[in-house]
Amino acid sequence: AQKVTQAQTEISVVEKEDVTLDCVYETRDTTYYLFWYKQPPSGELVFLIRRNSFDEQNEISGRYSWNFQKSTSSFNFTITASQVVDSAVYFCALSEAGYGSEKLVFGKGTKLTVNP
Amino acid sequence: DAGVIQSPRHEVTEMGQEVTLRCKPISGHNSLFWYRQTMMRGLELLIYFNNNVPIDDSGMPEDRFSAKMPNASFSTLKIQPSEPRDSAVYFCASSPSGTGGGNQPQHFGDGTRLSIL
Repeated sequence: AQKVTQAQTEISVVEKEDVTLDCVYETRDTTYYLFWYKQPPSGELVFLIRRNSFDEQNEISGRYSWNFQKSTSSFNFTITASQVVDSAVYFCALSEAGYGSEKLVFGKGTKLTVNP
Repeated sequence: DAGVIQSPRHEVTEMGQEVTLRCKPISGHNSLFWYRQTMMRGLELLIYFNNNVPIDDSGMPEDRFSAKMPNASFSTLKIQPSEPRDSAVYFCASSPSGTGGGNQPQHFGDGTRLSIL
């Protein structure tokens, strides 16, 4: 069965600090997809990134970067030089390949607070 | 482009009443998902449709919950009768997926905050 674990429930940092959000997943499939979503205080869910299981290249998008390591079943998210606007709950999610496997299984989320 | 549209944004009703939540997916997306978010259980899938056909309803809590997708541009989630434990935020999402499994990102509506008194 699929499972996503985000062990950090809450993280608090000061603006301009770097912060890494951890995500560990479990799946029996060899083909799967990993996602990160952001939920700001306004409540909507915003898609950030998708990775497939065959692509272990790290990705950088501005201040955001993602480190995918199959060997440790981890897909960690780093925010460099954090800003107050980064304050949100961040969710890691997993879906599997194959027809009928499209549902997202979410972790419990990590609440990030960036203080000025 | 319009995103996923959910209505109402907030609903407060008394126990035992029927509740209907509505969702309009992004045009061209052929998969539609209903999720529920609570403090205790987090985000969990209730049901999803592909090409208007229910594919996985294993997350529907019980017979009080039902969902329909009569056409590609509209879906409803109904709770009858409602109970206080149904209080949660209900999200609808859509994606342009189909043959490739879960490889497409899901785009979420703003959610319906439901309170059952």
